[in-house]
Amino acid sequence: QQQVKQSPQSLIVQKGGISIINCAYENTAFDYFPWYQQFPGKGPALLIAIRPDVSEKKEGRFTISFNKSAKQFSLHIMDSQPGDSATYFCAAIYGGATNKLIFGTGTLLAVQP
Amino acid sequence: DTGVSQNPRHKITKRGQNVTFRCDPISEHNRLYWYRQTLGQGPEFLTYFQNEAQLEKSRLLSDRFSAERPKGSFSTLEIQRTEQGDSAMYLCASSRLAGLDTGELFFGEGSRLTVL
Repeated sequence: QQQVKQSPQSLIVQKGGISIINCAYENTAFDYFPWYQQFPGKGPALLIAIRPDVSEKKEGRFTISFNKSAKQFSLHIMDSQPGDSATYFCAAIYGGATNKLIFGTGTLLAVQP
Repeated sequence: DTGVSQNPRHKITKRGQNVTFRCDPISEHNRLYWYRQTLGQGPEFLTYFQNEAQLEKSRLLSDRFSAERPKGSFSTLEIQRTEQGDSAMYLCASSRLAGLDTGELFFGEGSRLTVL
């Protein structure tokens, strides 16, 4: 039972382009939606996060767009750089303070120079 | 380095053997989590501790798996009678109680298990 669905599985973008990764969830008990970035051989690291009462959050070149009614959210990477090449995971947290993350399946991003 | 430390980084074992992984969290973090990640998938929650208490276990954690955090500091994850399906990356993460609703778990680099 996959509670957070992520697409695409892989993505190739030219340097300077916009990378877009989409996620959808089913459980309305989720109340916090972080994105994690993972480089090969490393553990995932928090990139940016959003609450469902906010429609958009921007941090530098990274923006999360959130559509509560559609139960969808997406990560936009503006001016993508080769150093952004990594696997990106969307995630969701259940209501309450457990910090138990439910991850999507991941998107392997390759930014070509 | 004061990040989450995991050992060993890679373990190759034969089916049926027991293996143990160790995780040293960031020192002031009360919460400690174990996740499993297989190739091409996101990490899957296995269990978590608050201090020395194990508060939740996933259905993924069969009876062959046991996790401990005896003094509320480091944790061990033991897999008994390993099976080929146990081959995966085992990730440990920690967080502060104060940061429970920020989604920020600090992950180690993982322990990769290969069962032959």
